[in-house]
Amino acid sequence: GQQLNQSPQSMFIQEGEDVSMNCTSSSIFNTWLWYKQDPGEGPVLLIALYKAGELTSNGRLTAQFGITRKDSFLNISASIPSDVGIYFCAGDPGGGADGLTFGKGTHLIIQP
Amino acid sequence: EAGVAQSPRYKIIEKRQSVAFWCNPISGHATLYWYQQILGQGPKLLIQFQNNGVVDDSQLPKDRFSAERLKGVDSTLKIQPAKLEDSAVYLCASSFGEASEAFFGQGTRLTVV
Repeated sequence: GQQLNQSPQSMFIQEGEDVSMNCTSSSIFNTWLWYKQDPGEGPVLLIALYKAGELTSNGRLTAQFGITRKDSFLNISASIPSDVGIYFCAGDPGGGADGLTFGKGTHLIIQP
Repeated sequence: EAGVAQSPRYKIIEKRQSVAFWCNPISGHATLYWYQQILGQGPKLLIQFQNNGVVDDSQLPKDRFSAERLKGVDSTLKIQPAKLEDSAVYLCASSFGEASEAFFGQGTRLTVV
């Protein structure tokens, strides 16, 4: 099955730094989603984007739905230790079928 | 509100044995999904139910995997016989309708030795 191209694969940053990760696809999606997954847990939704060009914030997180509907990015500002985890992008083609297509994840590691 | 419940949390079996996972979705959620997450990758959809009917099972290895959702509530996913490459976390998710509205359970970590 198709997977999204997510980069970077991992990031080692200092506490307080800003983080940026992105996702691209060869297919168009109606909805782009960003999830965070902690060890031993299921993915938890951070931000959902429903319209091409949409820019949405959730606290220190900002995400954008690319104008071509084939890409999205997630920014985290002023990182803190609890931001550590694996971040996944996901695309929903819409229509109620097919489920979500996920990227391979970006592993965020924060050095104190 | 209670979340998606899955059991067991962990399972270790030998190859060629069979195993079953159970999922109880959020009350009222008509759509239920099973995803397989291999270490280092994102979840991959195995099967999607709408009430007790299958909407999409195109990525389910049907020679060894089966799933059912009797009465449109709880669901079970079975693997028989298991292979080493089936080692993964099996995630259940549920939603009222769209996949983008789904909530995930904690998953069952399967190790096949």
